[in-house]
Amino acid sequence: DAGVIQSPRHEVTEMGQEVTLRCKPISGHDYLFWYRQTMMRGLELLIYFNNNVPIDDSGMPEDRFSAKMPNASFSTLKIQPSEPRDSAVYFCASSLFVPGSNQPQHFGDGTRLSIL
Amino acid sequence: EDKVVQSPLSLVVHEGDTVTLNCSYEVTNFRSLLWYKQEKKAPTFLFMLTSSGIEKKSGRLSSILDKKELFSILNITATQTGDSAVYLCSLIQGAQKLVFGQGTRLTINP
Repeated sequence: DAGVIQSPRHEVTEMGQEVTLRCKPISGHDYLFWYRQTMMRGLELLIYFNNNVPIDDSGMPEDRFSAKMPNASFSTLKIQPSEPRDSAVYFCASSLFVPGSNQPQHFGDGTRLSIL
Repeated sequence: EDKVVQSPLSLVVHEGDTVTLNCSYEVTNFRSLLWYKQEKKAPTFLFMLTSSGIEKKSGRLSSILDKKELFSILNITATQTGDSAVYLCSLIQGAQKLVFGQGTRLTINP
């Protein structure tokens, strides 16, 4: 079975440019999560969706960050305008909802973003 | 605020040694604790622990939770170089959010 698929794998761009990261969750999963990982702060949750609806975006650092999930098989995380401090690895994860039971999240391979 | 603290942050051992990784936590509404292994790319799921005192095992890896003392340990016996990775401890917070510890970077030398 295909896991969580993210693209691009690497992105290098100049400060001020718009960056769009993409994610395809595991088919049938109800939850989708976007994380950012840096050496200083570790893995931090940015936003998550349930059935395509954003539930908690309290981790989104600023208005420059936005995320959408137009359908159950696709999500984007956009940064506009990008800044050097946005450089990090961005992970997407998905999980299944099972009533009365916690389920693990499954991660994609991440997008390594470098803003020059 | 919910918090996950892992120790040690870094550990270097020789192949064949046994290691114990620690995770302590503070949480207002405990649901489950999860361990992940991260090599070069995606964190991969190892264990989910919900009840105290019940050991989860997978090959040479095992983990247990103590909800009274608010900690979990991850044991790896007869370590191999392929066990070298960052091991992440996390809590489910609220409905589905995960909050992660800083991770333990484990290096196994041949």
